[in-house]
Amino acid sequence: GAGVSQSPSNKVTEKGKDVELRCDPISGHTALYWYRQSLGQGLEFLIYFQGNSAPDKSGLPSDRFSAERTGGSVSTLTIQRTQQEDSAVYLCASSRDQYSEQFFGPGTRLTVL
Amino acid sequence: GQNIDQPTEMTATEGAIVQINCTYQTSGFNGLFWYQQHAGEAPTFLSYNVLDGLEEKGRFSSFLSRSKGYSYLLLKELQMKDSASYLCAVRSVGNAGNMLTFGGGTRLMVKP
Repeated sequence: GAGVSQSPSNKVTEKGKDVELRCDPISGHTALYWYRQSLGQGLEFLIYFQGNSAPDKSGLPSDRFSAERTGGSVSTLTIQRTQQEDSAVYLCASSRDQYSEQFFGPGTRLTVL
Repeated sequence: GQNIDQPTEMTATEGAIVQINCTYQTSGFNGLFWYQQHAGEAPTFLSYNVLDGLEEKGRFSSFLSRSKGYSYLLLKELQMKDSASYLCAVRSVGNAGNMLTFGGGTRLMVKP
């Protein structure tokens, strides 16, 4: 596609529910990244994929967070038993390879009530 | 660990020049990026430095000194649309390959 796309753009959920966020990277980009941005804050790295494997999961804040990538393309970030502190904008980025500039998607704004 | 510092906010006048500084401490340094982020939008790539010196791209220039752990983004002929947050990000190479660590961003307000 023309750019990185993410869905949904907005998600409101109740505390304790599970949510799934989707990222479609730019076609042909092998590297994919998830970040989290809380209101007025910088970007917090969550996880990085090279192809379908995730060599770096160090940023995942707890075991309630998981991510997968299939077919070297689409990725989903799953948050189980959501908490209010999970409320943030979740940004996905992709790059041609791990050394190239990252292109960001529009983000998913998650609100946990 | 990694530490990236940049001012939280800056204000400048339309038509002027502004310099946004970024200092960093990191191991395995492998490049520094500047991104622009308008409110409610995704960050967009502005510039990349991996060697010391100045990279110029139109109204925007970025400078890097690796020995000092220092970079700046220079914006000339400021326009109102330049009001945005500017994110400094350092790439480091570790066991897991390439990773970007972002500073907290500098919110720039351009006034008429």
